[in-house]
Amino acid sequence: AQSVTQLGSHVSVSEGALVLLRCNYSSSVPPYLFWYVQYPNQGLQLLLKYTSAATLVKGINGFEAEFKKSETSFHLTKPSAHMSDAAEYFCAVNPGGGAQKLVFGQGTRLTINP
Amino acid sequence: NAGVTQTPKFQVLKTGQSMTLQCAQDMNHNSMYWYRQDPGMGLRLIYYSASEGTTDKGEVPNGYNVSRLNKREFSLRLESAAPSQTSVYFCASSREANYNEQFFGPGTRLTVL
Repeated sequence: AQSVTQLGSHVSVSEGALVLLRCNYSSSVPPYLFWYVQYPNQGLQLLLKYTSAATLVKGINGFEAEFKKSETSFHLTKPSAHMSDAAEYFCAVNPGGGAQKLVFGQGTRLTINP
Repeated sequence: NAGVTQTPKFQVLKTGQSMTLQCAQDMNHNSMYWYRQDPGMGLRLIYYSASEGTTDKGEVPNGYNVSRLNKREFSLRLESAAPSQTSVYFCASSREANYNEQFFGPGTRLTVL
């Protein structure tokens, strides 16, 4: 079965510091990978997705993620954190096949310290 | 475009009561999904519908039923609510093809007493 592991349920960084949120996946076939963000009391919003076109994927709000097949990772980064980045972040994998289903990681809550 | 809409936003039920959560999308998507979100567990798929007229079980279908009423609407029913079904429920939709992202509604916060 496909699975997604997000290392760290809570990450805290200072404003202006590097944001690094970790995601590892298990998949027997090349996956499609997604990062979503959830602001308080809202639904999920797509940040970026990997669809095999390029290993470094740029998303909204200055976020990017790099697909590393050898490490089965898809970590999310942002060079300089902003207070507005405080939210919960979810990594998800579509393992392919006939149905367009997503398997989500447990989520990482990002706190930004002033 | 409203995207994906869900009603109600909040609901409190007593154990054993039934209710239906409504979901509609105006993006002409074929695929629709119901998830539940619980702390520390991410989102788990309850049921999905790959196209109008078809539904399939996801990871946690027990205690739920669904109806794909038409291409736009996909409802989730709790026949006899239990406290374990206290959760936030999200509906989502997507176009076909595995590389397409899902679009999420704002969620329904359900409490079962």
